[in-house]
Amino acid sequence: QVQLQESGPRLVKPSETLSLTCTVSGGSINGYNWGWIRQSPGKELVWIGKIAYHGHTEYSRSFEGRVTISLDSSNNQFSLSLISATAADTAVYYCVRDLDWKNDYWSQGTLVTVSS
Amino acid sequence: QSVLTQPPSVSAAPGQKVTISCSGSSSNIGSKYVSWYQHVPGTAPKLLIYDNDKRPSGIPDRFSGSKSGTSATLGITGLQTGDEAVYYCGTWDTGTWDPSLRGWVFGGGTELTVL
Repeated sequence: QVQLQESGPRLVKPSETLSLTCTVSGGSINGYNWGWIRQSPGKELVWIGKIAYHGHTEYSRSFEGRVTISLDSSNNQFSLSLISATAADTAVYYCVRDLDWKNDYWSQGTLVTVSS
Repeated sequence: QSVLTQPPSVSAAPGQKVTISCSGSSSNIGSKYVSWYQHVPGTAPKLLIYDNDKRPSGIPDRFSGSKSGTSATLGITGLQTGDEAVYYCGTWDTGTWDPSLRGWVFGGGTELTVL
């Protein structure tokens, strides 16, 4: 059974970089696409972007210029980096496996708060 | 405001049936597969339905999905208290009409209460 688990700072200061890593267990990261989705308190799910197993990335226009998603196949991990964080980036962040028009595995989600 | 529109809440008694609607446009539901997710707060969202009407292994046939035009529907029969959760629809938006929307889009979620 594939499982995803995020790790990273839960508290980020405004203007700093929000960074999260997703570790994949129970399966290989190779051959699949991987993505990040977030949900601000009381709001809808918002797609941030995804990375293919060969490294091609696609980002939501809402985050372009601020976001980088990268892959570390040797450690079965992928990461999210969001620069110039603001309070509006406070949200629960989910990492997902994006497979053939479905997100078939999700992490439990981690709340990241942007505050001084 | 979500790109896909769902009712905020539905409720029914144990053993009864509910349907949850999801409305979109030609650039998303109208041209792409729809998936449905069950989310119990504090746990990982779970894929319930994919490709409009297919169930992953382990999902009981009490859950069903359908799509017509730019709308999709999730059906749950034989309601159980364990079905209480928030249900989301999701699909890919091609960005044909609004390039800023290209990517995964989701409904605002429907909270199911089993009375």
